[in-house]
Amino acid sequence: EVQLVESGGGLVQPGGSLRLSCAASGFNFISYSMSWVRQAPGKGLEWLSYITTSSSTIYYADSVKGRFTISRDNAKNSLSLQMNSLSAEDTAVYYCASYLISLHAFHYWGQGILVTVSS
Amino acid sequence: EIMLSQSPGTLSLSPGQRATLSCRASQSVDSTYLAWYQQRPGQAPRLLIYGASRRATGIPDRFTGSGSGTDFTLTISRLEPEDFAMYYCQQYDSSLFTFGPGTKVDL
Repeated sequence: EVQLVESGGGLVQPGGSLRLSCAASGFNFISYSMSWVRQAPGKGLEWLSYITTSSSTIYYADSVKGRFTISRDNAKNSLSLQMNSLSAEDTAVYYCASYLISLHAFHYWGQGILVTVSS
Repeated sequence: EIMLSQSPGTLSLSPGQRATLSCRASQSVDSTYLAWYQQRPGQAPRLLIYGASRRATGIPDRFTGSGSGTDFTLTISRLEPEDFAMYYCQQYDSSLFTFGPGTKVDL
């Protein structure tokens, strides 16, 4: 069974940092590019960051460039998102998603993890 | 940056009816990079359509994607109770991925 399980969310103060992790299983992780997508409460989906299979190419949305860092560990089948300088606007459910190049689409999704930025 | 708009914002229909959802891009989109997702309340998004018209594995054939250029459509031929959900289109271009704001298919 394919699983993407996010962890590391929770309550953080404005200006603080948080590191999200995504554990992958049930599929060939090293063959998939990966992304983080978030959804603010009651809002739509917002793509944040993308990393290729070998980490050779990384993209960020303007809204998080310079504050968030995506990384992956293929040996551990894991994806991470280091989030710094957080503000209330970063409050959202964060999803990790696999991107299958042959489909050019986000194929598998995690269940999401809530990050709340508040004092 | 290519922006996506979706219409209508909400589509109020009944089971058995046909739903037609529109996704419009601010510039021409390569159909290869146009996808549709379904999100039920409290759940993660699910890939429905990729390449503008190809159904993902396990997606029923009542879901059909079509279109090219700047205008794309998702059609649900006969709504089932489980189809009442949010639907998002998404595209990729020049190192950026964007989602449309979504269409809610409501009872």
